[in-house]
Amino acid sequence: DAKTTQPNSMESNEEEPVHLPCNHSTISGTDYIHWYRQLPSQGPEYVIHGLTSNVNNRMASLAIAEDRKSSTLILHRATLRDAAVYYCILDESGGSNYKLTFGKGTLLTVNP
Amino acid sequence: NAGVMQNPRHLVRRRGQEARLRCSPMKGHSHVYWYRQLPEEGLKFMVYLQKENIIDESGMPKERFSAEFPKEGPSILRIQQVVRGDSAAYFCASSPPSGLAHLEQYFGPGTRLTVT
Repeated sequence: DAKTTQPNSMESNEEEPVHLPCNHSTISGTDYIHWYRQLPSQGPEYVIHGLTSNVNNRMASLAIAEDRKSSTLILHRATLRDAAVYYCILDESGGSNYKLTFGKGTLLTVNP
Repeated sequence: NAGVMQNPRHLVRRRGQEARLRCSPMKGHSHVYWYRQLPEEGLKFMVYLQKENIIDESGMPKERFSAEFPKEGPSILRIQQVVRGDSAAYFCASSPPSGLAHLEQYFGPGTRLTVT
């Protein structure tokens, strides 16, 4: 399986932007990058996905490096509700891999 | 628009009993996935189903576990003769029937199974 590397934990203050990094140096040209998050005692929640271009949706933005070996999930204004474990996941089969492989993720703490 | 529903939310079984976990996908979704999260571990894929078909069950333990997604009704994950090691949170996800459906999987709240 292609591997992603994320910091174990990060901390942010409420209403400030948060940049969550992910390294995926073994990514190939057709691998999609997914981000999910899991709030305490809840199921994972889809956040965003991308292939090559930067992506925006109502929850977050995804910035993908030009060489695609890294990406950054951007929460523009963190709220207390954004405290969660954030998972960066690679889909290795050009969008046909339905087996999401969750690693340890980054535990985001948001301070009031 | 209701999200993915799972019931029961908590289930306690004695060793040797059967556990049945139910999952109702989001309206309009025809793809269902089951994942298991053991304590202090990440989620692991178990099985992928479409209506009346098992597409991939490569993550299912070889014995005691089975899954179905009938034409009518919820998807069922069945664990026979439960053992303590089956204690975990079981999550169901669904996705719409588009070409790259699985890029967006919507998860339910999970069923927490405790085997005593």
